[in-house]
Amino acid sequence: DGGITQSPKYLFRKEGQNVTLSCEQNLNHDAMYWYRQDPGQGLRLIYYSQIVNDFQKGDIAEGYSVSREKKESFPLTVTSAQKNPTAFYLCASAPGRGRNTEAFFGQGTRLTVV
Amino acid sequence: AQSVSQHNHHVILSEAASLELGCNYSYGGTVNLFWYVQYPGQHLQLLLKYFSGDPLVKGIKGFEAEFIKSKFSFNLRKPSVQWSDTAEYFCAVNARNTDKLIFGTGTRLQVFP
Repeated sequence: DGGITQSPKYLFRKEGQNVTLSCEQNLNHDAMYWYRQDPGQGLRLIYYSQIVNDFQKGDIAEGYSVSREKKESFPLTVTSAQKNPTAFYLCASAPGRGRNTEAFFGQGTRLTVV
Repeated sequence: AQSVSQHNHHVILSEAASLELGCNYSYGGTVNLFWYVQYPGQHLQLLLKYFSGDPLVKGIKGFEAEFIKSKFSFNLRKPSVQWSDTAEYFCAVNARNTDKLIFGTGTRLQVFP
């Protein structure tokens, strides 16, 4: 089946450790996105990528890093510089390049830093 | 800069009441507009979308939204809500030239029987 896969569903890390969240899509989409969802704050854009080997900061990029080496994959690293990393993280993809269609979302990863 | 505002943070209604949720955006270029819904314990689902043409768009489950370009608004409406509409609703704006997709802070809707 085509779709977006985020893994793992739950992730626990100790404070001060970097952690990488996986996002893979087989929809042949050019655009990919990472969001953070916190209660009362909606979905806040961390990073997005319009095309392979290119990505742009979103509204809350500090403490995060991404790569886009393959069209299918857009991993997100939560670094130790992120002051409040415990959250629900959502990955999305869309055809991109201005095409008129919606984004599709993964099932999310809940990260807890202790 | 691109931004989205949802002014209703928490709405409480009785069944059969009418619903209107506000969404305003700021962006100077061409946009695509969306409403997504997240039911308790579930994932985001697309309710409806606007790309071009008729500014009144109809979505699933009896929802509709009207794009008013002069007001930069895309308000969501439903004539008669049901208990099953209890959920969180998110407005989203996609700038076509950059593919940047941003969301509002969401509106939590509670419908009581």
